[in-house]
Amino acid sequence: SAVISQKPSRDICQRGTSLTIQCQVDSQVTMMFWYRQQPGQSLTLIATANQGSEATYESGFVIDKFPISRPNLTFSTLTVSNMSPEDSSIYLCSAEGGPWDRNTEAFFGQGTRLTVV
Amino acid sequence: AQTVTQSQPEMSVQEAETVTLSCTYDTSESDYYLFWYKQPPSRQMILVIRQEAYKQQNATENRFSVNFQKAAKSFSLKISDSQLGDAAMYFCAFGSGYALNFGKGTSLLVTP
Repeated sequence: SAVISQKPSRDICQRGTSLTIQCQVDSQVTMMFWYRQQPGQSLTLIATANQGSEATYESGFVIDKFPISRPNLTFSTLTVSNMSPEDSSIYLCSAEGGPWDRNTEAFFGQGTRLTVV
Repeated sequence: AQTVTQSQPEMSVQEAETVTLSCTYDTSESDYYLFWYKQPPSRQMILVIRQEAYKQQNATENRFSVNFQKAAKSFSLKISDSQLGDAAMYFCAFGSGYALNFGKGTSLLVTP
């Protein structure tokens, strides 16, 4: 199993500013992901954080708005840039050992509750 | 693209009773995994149970079991002997390749 520490757990930010969320895993993992969970909604994948290369973004999410870093196999950051109230959401980091097989499990951080005012 | 549908936004069950949460999915793949995650107010996503598509036998984990109907693309979660601590959002998720696709969730209320 893996334990994920995500910081900050919550923040209130002014519109137009940026916030960087950190995700630290207690063991090396192959895959790391960032999800967004809007109030009362499901989790939507923002991007896959690739170690040593650019993140892979899902449709509707762009690097300029959500730059992601992954400098090693245990750490990733997501920045929410030039924030607007529509960015108010919970952002979750997830880690997996590799492609889905009988031993793979996804682990999640506790999420960052972001409020943009 | 895979889609996951949870048609019950909210469900309620009395303590000690049994409740079933529904999930359907759409995929053209033959090899995949299905999951139920629980998200309490703490926001921590907790894996409840998983099912490998190639296995015909339904997965069980203590009070939690699934009814997996591959041909119907249905994956329901049964919670037996419900406890107050079971109250949470429950998400059905589809896994193939790497990331997960989640349904919209079902909010489960457990009443004494």
